[in-house]
Amino acid sequence: DGGITQSPKYLFRKEGQNVTLSCEQNLNHDAMYWYRQDPGQGLRLIYYSQIVNDFQKGDIAEGYSVSREKKESFPLTVTSAQKNPTAFYLCASRGSQTGGASAFFGQGTRLTVV
Amino acid sequence: EDKVVQSPLSLVVHEGDTVTLNCSYEVTNFRSLLWYKQEKKAPTFLFMLTSSGIEKKSGRLSSILDKKELFSILNITATQTGDSAIYLCAVAGGTSYGKLTFGQGTILTVHP
Repeated sequence: DGGITQSPKYLFRKEGQNVTLSCEQNLNHDAMYWYRQDPGQGLRLIYYSQIVNDFQKGDIAEGYSVSREKKESFPLTVTSAQKNPTAFYLCASRGSQTGGASAFFGQGTRLTVV
Repeated sequence: EDKVVQSPLSLVVHEGDTVTLNCSYEVTNFRSLLWYKQEKKAPTFLFMLTSSGIEKKSGRLSSILDKKELFSILNITATQTGDSAIYLCAVAGGTSYGKLTFGQGTILTVHP
């Protein structure tokens, strides 16, 4: 079945460590997105990519980095420069297969700094 | 900078009540407005709106867009406890598969 897979579901990180969150889609979508969600709040855009080898900063990109070497994959690295990384991270994709309209979401990764 | 503002931020009602959720936006090169429902983890798609004044309807949920006043509403009639969730509004702007900006969400709680 087509969809978006995020891994891991839960991730614990020590302060000062970088961690990478995985996002893979087999929907052949062009665009992919990373969002951060804090408890009881909406989604804030970290980075997005409209095409392979290209990406743009969202509203809260500081302390994060991404790459888009393959159409299917859009990993997010949370660096030690991110001062408050504990949050729920959601990956999404959009493409012409959905009329360019709705975004499909993965099940998310919950990152906790210990 | 694109901006999406939802109101109210939270709402508590009883089963059978009707609720109206609001979404206002400012975006460069508006393409569409989307509503999502988030219960546990992944938001699920409800509606996409691109034209003013055309109501989208699915069961007890309906939504409409006003592109002149830059807002949308989501109505839920005869609410049920299963409607309890975060309702998210998002606006797509810029290029075809460009920036997708979400609002803060409205937390809806429906009591039996």
